Amino acid sequence: GAVVSQHPSWVICKSGTSVKIECRSLDFQATTMFWYRQFPKQSLMLMATSNEGSKATYEQGVEKDKFLINHASLTLSTLTVTSAHPEDSSFYICSAKALAGEGGRYNEQFFGPGTRLTVL
Amino acid sequence: QKEVEQNSGPLSVPEGAIASLNCTYSDRVSQSFFWYRQYSGKSPELIMSIYSNGDKEDGRFTAQLNKASQYVSLLIRDSQPSDSATYLCAAPAGGTSYGKLTFGQGTILTVHP
Repeated sequence: GAVVSQHPSWVICKSGTSVKIECRSLDFQATTMFWYRQFPKQSLMLMATSNEGSKATYEQGVEKDKFLINHASLTLSTLTVTSAHPEDSSFYICSAKALAGEGGRYNEQFFGPGTRLTVL
Repeated sequence: QKEVEQNSGPLSVPEGAIASLNCTYSDRVSQSFFWYRQYSGKSPELIMSIYSNGDKEDGRFTAQLNKASQYVSLLIRDSQPSDSATYLCAAPAGGTSYGKLTFGQGTILTVHP
Protein backbone atom coordinates (compact mmCIF):
# COMPACT_ATOMS: atom_id res chain seq x y z
CA GLY A 1 0.00 0.00 0.00
CA ALA A 2 0.82 3.72 -0.05
CA VAL A 3 2.06 3.88 -3.62
CA VAL A 4 2.57 7.19 -5.38
CA SER A 5 3.33 7.36 -9.06
CA GLN A 6 4.73 10.16 -11.18
CA HIS A 7 4.68 10.62 -14.89
CA PRO A 8 6.86 11.09 -16.81
CA SER A 9 9.91 9.70 -15.04
CA TRP A 10 12.16 11.83 -17.19
CA VAL A 11 11.65 14.53 -19.78
CA ILE A 12 13.89 16.55 -22.05
CA CYS A 13 12.47 19.72 -23.53
CA LYS A 14 13.55 22.83 -25.37
CA SER A 15 13.90 26.14 -23.61
CA GLY A 16 10.64 28.08 -23.63
CA THR A 17 8.32 25.11 -23.68
CA SER A 18 6.02 23.96 -20.88
CA VAL A 19 6.17 20.61 -19.17
CA LYS A 20 3.43 18.94 -17.14
CA ILE A 21 4.22 16.39 -14.44
CA GLU A 22 1.51 14.20 -12.93
CA CYS A 23 1.47 12.81 -9.41
CA ARG A 24 -1.03 10.12 -8.44
CA SER A 25 -1.74 8.30 -5.19
CA LEU A 26 -2.64 4.82 -6.38
CA ASP A 27 -4.09 3.08 -3.35
CA PHE A 28 -5.06 5.83 -0.93
CA GLN A 29 -6.71 9.21 -0.93
CA ALA A 30 -4.58 12.28 -0.45
CA THR A 31 -6.16 15.63 0.32
CA THR A 32 -2.69 17.13 0.44
CA MET A 33 0.21 16.64 -1.93
CA PHE A 34 3.56 18.33 -1.90
CA TRP A 35 5.97 19.24 -4.66
CA TYR A 36 9.71 19.25 -4.07
CA ARG A 37 12.74 20.02 -6.16
CA GLN A 38 16.17 18.58 -5.60
CA PHE A 39 19.41 19.61 -7.25
CA PRO A 40 22.36 17.19 -7.35
CA LYS A 41 23.89 16.54 -3.93
CA GLN A 42 21.51 19.01 -2.28
CA SER A 43 18.62 18.64 0.12
CA LEU A 44 14.98 18.42 -0.80
CA MET A 45 13.44 21.84 -1.31
CA LEU A 46 9.71 22.16 -0.80
CA MET A 47 8.16 24.19 -3.58
CA ALA A 48 4.47 24.13 -2.75
CA THR A 49 1.66 22.43 -0.90
CA SER A 50 -1.27 21.31 -2.99
CA ASN A 51 -4.70 20.85 -1.45
CA GLU A 52 -7.53 19.16 -3.29
CA GLY A 53 -10.03 21.69 -4.57
CA SER A 54 -8.14 24.79 -3.51
CA LYS A 55 -5.23 26.93 -4.58
CA ALA A 56 -1.74 25.73 -3.88
CA THR A 57 0.39 27.35 -1.21
CA TYR A 58 3.83 28.24 -2.49
CA GLU A 59 7.01 28.51 -0.48
CA GLN A 60 8.85 31.79 -0.36
CA GLY A 61 10.82 32.42 -3.52
CA VAL A 62 8.87 30.00 -5.70
CA GLU A 63 7.11 31.71 -8.61
CA LYS A 64 3.49 30.58 -8.68
CA ASP A 65 3.03 31.77 -12.27
CA LYS A 66 5.94 29.68 -13.41
CA PHE A 67 5.11 26.52 -11.48
CA LEU A 68 1.39 25.93 -11.92
CA ILE A 69 -0.16 23.39 -9.61
CA ASN A 70 -3.57 21.80 -9.96
CA HIS A 71 -5.03 19.31 -7.50
CA ALA A 72 -8.27 18.31 -9.15
CA SER A 73 -9.04 15.12 -7.26
CA LEU A 74 -8.07 13.22 -4.13
CA THR A 75 -5.61 11.13 -6.15
CA LEU A 76 -4.12 13.50 -8.70
CA SER A 77 -2.01 16.64 -8.59
CA THR A 78 -0.15 18.16 -11.52
CA LEU A 79 2.81 20.51 -11.72
CA THR A 80 3.33 22.48 -14.91
CA VAL A 81 6.67 24.17 -15.44
CA THR A 82 5.86 27.01 -17.80
CA SER A 83 8.39 28.54 -20.20
CA ALA A 84 11.08 26.23 -18.90
CA HIS A 85 14.70 27.35 -18.97
CA PRO A 86 17.93 25.42 -18.38
CA GLU A 87 18.07 26.58 -14.76
CA ASP A 88 14.78 24.72 -14.18
CA SER A 89 16.53 21.44 -14.91
CA SER A 90 16.20 19.43 -11.73
CA PHE A 91 14.70 16.38 -10.06
CA TYR A 92 11.05 17.10 -9.24
CA ILE A 93 9.46 14.87 -6.62
CA CYS A 94 5.91 14.82 -5.34
CA SER A 95 4.65 13.35 -2.12
CA ALA A 96 1.17 12.57 -0.88
CA LYS A 97 -0.11 12.67 2.67
CA ALA A 98 -2.67 10.11 3.69
CA LEU A 99 -5.88 11.32 5.29
CA ALA A 100 -5.38 11.82 9.01
CA GLY A 101 -5.65 8.56 10.86
CA GLU A 102 -6.11 6.47 7.74
CA GLY A 103 -4.61 3.10 8.57
CA GLY A 104 -2.64 4.72 11.37
CA ARG A 105 -0.78 6.88 8.88
CA TYR A 106 -0.79 10.14 10.76
CA ASN A 107 1.12 12.82 8.85
CA GLU A 108 3.04 10.20 6.87
CA GLN A 109 4.12 11.37 3.44
CA PHE A 110 4.81 8.95 0.64
CA PHE A 111 7.01 10.03 -2.20
CA GLY A 112 6.65 9.40 -5.89
CA PRO A 113 9.67 8.14 -7.84
CA GLY A 114 10.47 11.62 -9.16
CA THR A 115 10.71 13.25 -12.56
CA ARG A 116 14.05 14.27 -13.95
CA LEU A 117 13.65 17.38 -16.08
CA THR A 118 16.34 18.51 -18.49
CA VAL A 119 15.82 21.77 -20.36
CA LEU A 120 18.08 22.30 -23.35
CA GLN B 1 18.19 27.35 14.93
CA LYS B 2 17.16 24.68 12.47
CA GLU B 3 13.97 22.87 13.39
CA VAL B 4 15.38 19.41 12.69
CA GLU B 5 19.06 18.67 12.92
CA GLN B 6 20.89 15.47 12.15
CA ASN B 7 24.28 14.37 13.36
CA SER B 8 27.01 15.34 11.00
CA GLY B 9 28.15 12.76 8.52
CA PRO B 10 29.16 11.03 6.53
CA LEU B 11 28.97 7.88 8.60
CA SER B 12 30.93 4.82 7.61
CA VAL B 13 30.46 1.43 9.26
CA PRO B 14 31.65 -2.07 8.41
CA GLU B 15 29.22 -4.66 7.18
CA GLY B 16 27.46 -6.37 10.08
CA ALA B 17 27.90 -3.46 12.48
CA ILE B 18 25.21 -1.27 14.01
CA ALA B 19 24.74 2.11 12.37
CA SER B 20 23.39 4.82 14.64
CA LEU B 21 21.76 7.90 13.17
CA ASN B 22 20.65 10.76 15.39
CA CYS B 23 18.27 13.66 15.08
CA THR B 24 17.14 16.48 17.36
CA TYR B 25 14.13 18.72 16.90
CA SER B 26 13.11 22.08 18.29
CA ASP B 27 9.30 21.99 18.27
CA ARG B 28 8.21 20.49 21.58
CA VAL B 29 4.66 19.86 20.39
CA SER B 30 5.72 17.56 17.55
CA GLN B 31 3.92 14.24 17.86
CA SER B 32 5.21 12.26 14.91
CA PHE B 33 8.62 11.60 13.48
CA PHE B 34 9.81 9.89 10.37
CA TRP B 35 12.92 8.38 8.90
CA TYR B 36 13.35 8.30 5.15
CA ARG B 37 16.03 6.58 3.13
CA GLN B 38 17.16 8.08 -0.15
CA TYR B 39 19.42 6.24 -2.54
CA SER B 40 21.50 8.33 -4.91
CA GLY B 41 19.37 9.49 -7.83
CA LYS B 42 16.15 8.19 -6.30
CA SER B 43 13.33 9.70 -4.28
CA PRO B 44 13.00 9.30 -0.50
CA GLU B 45 11.37 6.17 0.86
CA LEU B 46 9.64 6.09 4.23
CA ILE B 47 11.22 3.40 6.40
CA MET B 48 10.04 4.24 9.92
CA SER B 49 7.38 6.30 11.66
CA ILE B 50 7.32 6.79 15.41
CA TYR B 51 4.73 8.57 17.49
CA SER B 52 5.33 7.69 21.11
CA ASN B 53 8.25 7.61 23.49
CA GLY B 54 10.36 4.50 23.47
CA ASP B 55 11.51 2.11 20.82
CA LYS B 56 9.85 0.86 17.68
CA GLU B 57 11.37 -2.06 15.88
CA ASP B 58 10.86 -3.16 12.30
CA GLY B 59 13.20 -5.86 11.10
CA ARG B 60 16.77 -4.59 11.34
CA PHE B 61 15.59 -1.04 12.02
CA THR B 62 14.83 0.43 15.44
CA ALA B 63 13.60 3.97 15.92
CA GLN B 64 13.94 5.53 19.36
CA LEU B 65 12.05 8.59 20.51
CA ASN B 66 12.68 10.67 23.62
CA LYS B 67 10.31 13.61 23.71
CA ALA B 68 11.75 15.04 26.91
CA SER B 69 15.13 15.36 25.25
CA GLN B 70 13.62 16.14 21.84
CA TYR B 71 15.69 13.40 20.33
CA VAL B 72 14.94 10.68 17.80
CA SER B 73 17.35 8.09 16.51
CA LEU B 74 17.50 5.25 14.03
CA LEU B 75 19.55 2.13 14.61
CA ILE B 76 20.32 -0.24 11.78
CA ARG B 77 21.49 -3.64 12.99
CA ASP B 78 23.59 -6.00 10.90
CA SER B 79 24.28 -3.22 8.41
CA GLN B 80 24.52 -4.28 4.80
CA PRO B 81 26.14 -2.53 1.82
CA SER B 82 22.62 -2.09 0.46
CA ASP B 83 21.89 0.17 3.44
CA SER B 84 24.33 2.72 2.01
CA ALA B 85 22.19 5.79 1.35
CA THR B 86 21.27 9.19 2.72
CA TYR B 87 18.96 9.01 5.73
CA LEU B 88 16.56 11.88 6.35
CA CYS B 89 14.88 12.64 9.65
CA ALA B 90 11.59 14.54 9.43
CA ALA B 91 9.04 16.08 11.76
CA PRO B 92 5.85 18.08 11.15
CA ALA B 93 6.54 21.72 10.42
CA GLY B 94 4.00 22.84 12.98
CA GLY B 95 1.34 25.52 12.95
CA THR B 96 -1.13 25.65 10.07
CA SER B 97 1.25 23.83 7.82
CA TYR B 98 -1.21 21.35 6.23
CA GLY B 99 1.02 18.49 7.20
CA LYS B 100 4.27 19.91 5.85
CA LEU B 101 7.35 18.13 7.05
CA THR B 102 10.62 19.70 8.04
CA PHE B 103 13.57 17.58 6.98
CA GLY B 104 17.01 17.39 8.47
CA GLN B 105 19.95 17.89 6.19
CA GLY B 106 20.47 14.15 5.91
CA THR B 107 23.21 11.78 6.99
CA ILE B 108 25.10 9.87 4.35
CA LEU B 109 25.70 6.30 5.47
CA THR B 110 28.26 4.05 3.81
CA VAL B 111 28.45 0.39 4.76
CA HIS B 112 31.68 -1.12 3.53
CA PRO B 113 32.21 -4.85 3.02
